Amino acid sequence: EIVLTQSPGTLSLSPGERATLSCWASQSVSSSNLAWYQQKPGQAPRLLIYATSSRATGIPERFSGSGSGTDFILTISRLEPEDFAVYYCQQYGSSPRTFGQGTKVEIK
Amino acid sequence: EVHLVESGGGLVQPGGSLRLSCAASGFTFSNFWMTWVRQAPGTGLEWVANINQVGSEKYYVDSVKGRFTISRDNAENSLYLQMNSLRAEDTAVYYCAKNGGGYDSWGQGTLVTVSS
Repeated sequence: EIVLTQSPGTLSLSPGERATLSCWASQSVSSSNLAWYQQKPGQAPRLLIYATSSRATGIPERFSGSGSGTDFILTISRLEPEDFAVYYCQQYGSSPRTFGQGTKVEIK
Repeated sequence: EVHLVESGGGLVQPGGSLRLSCAASGFTFSNFWMTWVRQAPGTGLEWVANINQVGSEKYYVDSVKGRFTISRDNAENSLYLQMNSLRAEDTAVYYCAKNGGGYDSWGQGTLVTVSS
């Protein structure tokens, strides 16, 4: 099983600031099979990024993904008020599919 | 527009059974892998099971193997999760999700509570 570890657990930032979220995998993950999701309280997760760096439909350009092998990053270039939420990385290349434990981006 | 609507959750005693359903619309259901993901209260996301387009390939997280069965009915555009021998640790919101390069569409979830 591929274990995904996200860092930091909580990120305290102000609107307009840049957010950098990390996701480390215990084994190499194909770049084709790494996704990021956003979840707000009481809502289902929403796909932001798939295949490491491809934005899902309707996702603003301020969200970007990068990385390869075991190290992946989600960057939010300038935080908008609606971006404060929990973010999860996920690998979907090997079974069982696995999620990271999440990074909460909160208002400072 | 893709719509996924889960149903079938509720309160069940330990050792009991429930069958979750997910009604799909707005896309060609038979063309896509489908997945169940759960989220225990106050915790993160856990992948539970997935199934291929024709139901011939099914995969499960170890903690539910032998207790849960994923299935689908392409004629009815529906996904199912039969859950037997339920345990307290199965308490969670269960989401169905469409696979399309990550999970590109999710239902609103259905709450399963296992408690005496």
